[in-house]
Parts: sequence; C-alpha cells; structure tokens
Amino acid sequence: KNEVEQSPQNLTAQEGEFITINCSYSVGISALHWLQQHPGGGIVSLFMLSSGKKKHGRLIATINIQEKHSSLHITASHPRDSAVYICAVRRGTDKLIFGTGTRLQVFP
Amino acid sequence: GAGVSQTPSNKVTEKGKYVELRCDPISGHTALYWYRQSLGQGPEFLIYFQGTGAADDSGLPNDRFFAVRPEGSVSTLKIQRTERGDSAVYLCASSPDIGQPQHFGDGTRLSIL
Repeated sequence: KNEVEQSPQNLTAQEGEFITINCSYSVGISALHWLQQHPGGGIVSLFMLSSGKKKHGRLIATINIQEKHSSLHITASHPRDSAVYICAVRRGTDKLIFGTGTRLQVFP
Repeated sequence: GAGVSQTPSNKVTEKGKYVELRCDPISGHTALYWYRQSLGQGPEFLIYFQGTGAADDSGLPNDRFFAVRPEGSVSTLKIQRTERGDSAVYLCASSPDIGQPQHFGDGTRLSIL
C-alpha cells in the first residue's frame, strides 16, 4: 500500500464545475504539498500546509491532521485547469513522498 | 530566468553509457532536491542537499547513481552503466531552506535505448 493515496486517479469535468481531489496518507508528516504538473513535466507548487485551510484564487486546500486527509478544491473550473494534481507529504528530513497524481480534464 | 534550470531537457543514450544531468537552482536557495518520475507515476525522492553536503541520499537506487553539489549551487546527478530501467524524467527542485516550498525545474527526460 502506498504511503500517499489520491482519488480519483482520473477526473473529467465541464467548465464551471466544482472539483474535489482527495489525498490520504498513512505516515506522520510535518507538512503536505499540493502540486500541479502540466504536460511536458513542469511542476508548480500550489500549496504547502500543515493545518487548517489555505485559499489562492479559485483553489482551496484543506487538511485534517487527525484523519490524515487533505482535499484540493477548484471552484468554477476552467479548461486551463487541466493538468495532473499531485499530493506530496513531507517527513523528517524534508524529502517529499508523492502520490501518483490525479489527472484532471476540464472541457469547455 | 529566475527559475530552476535543468539541462539537457532530453537525453537519449545507449545502455551501458555514462550520463550527467545538471541542475541550476534558484540563486540563494540552500536546499536542492533530485527526484525521478517514471511514466504514469508520481515523482520518487532520490537525494537532497543542504549546502554542499548530501543531507539524505536514501532514495538513490544503487551505487550507479551519484550526485554532487561542490560549491553549494549547481548540482550534477551522475549515472554510470545506464540500464533501460533508468529511463525516466529526472526532476530537480530547490528551496530557500529546508521546510520551505520547493520550486521545480522542467526536468530532464532520459531515455536509455
């Protein structure tokens, strides 16, 4: 069993829909990251959080430390949001352990 | 540019050859990380540096893999006697210090024929 599990693996949506991507982890962590990866490999860090909730534009990330669970929400989704969204947790020595990603496609 | 730069962007070589992959971190970032991403998978940790020293190299798969960062800035990941299973995208990231968000390069796509 992977230490970081994401669901769903693939997600399609119509433009404007509210999207939720889930991440569960089984290890103790110091922080959790949400990352966005576009075709061609470039990775952008969206959020780093260790408690509560963060918001940036149409993106919202939440984490529940007791339940070892985090969610990434996208409001009013747009085709340019199409990408792979990756959850990663940080342990002790600062190395990240990554989930396998959620591939999101938003259609106009 | 001000981002993390990786060269080359693509590398194709034959099985058994030696390869070097270069990472130029963001200026002033003390922490530098190497990851490997196979097709359809999330990245996997290889090694990270704090300054010039390797703080954690537990992700290097075997002794064919080695990385250096001699002056605390540019890093080189070296792979000896390459195997087809080494084919992947090799990602580099840097952060101002440990515990801070990591900034990723676009990766080097390595293909071993």
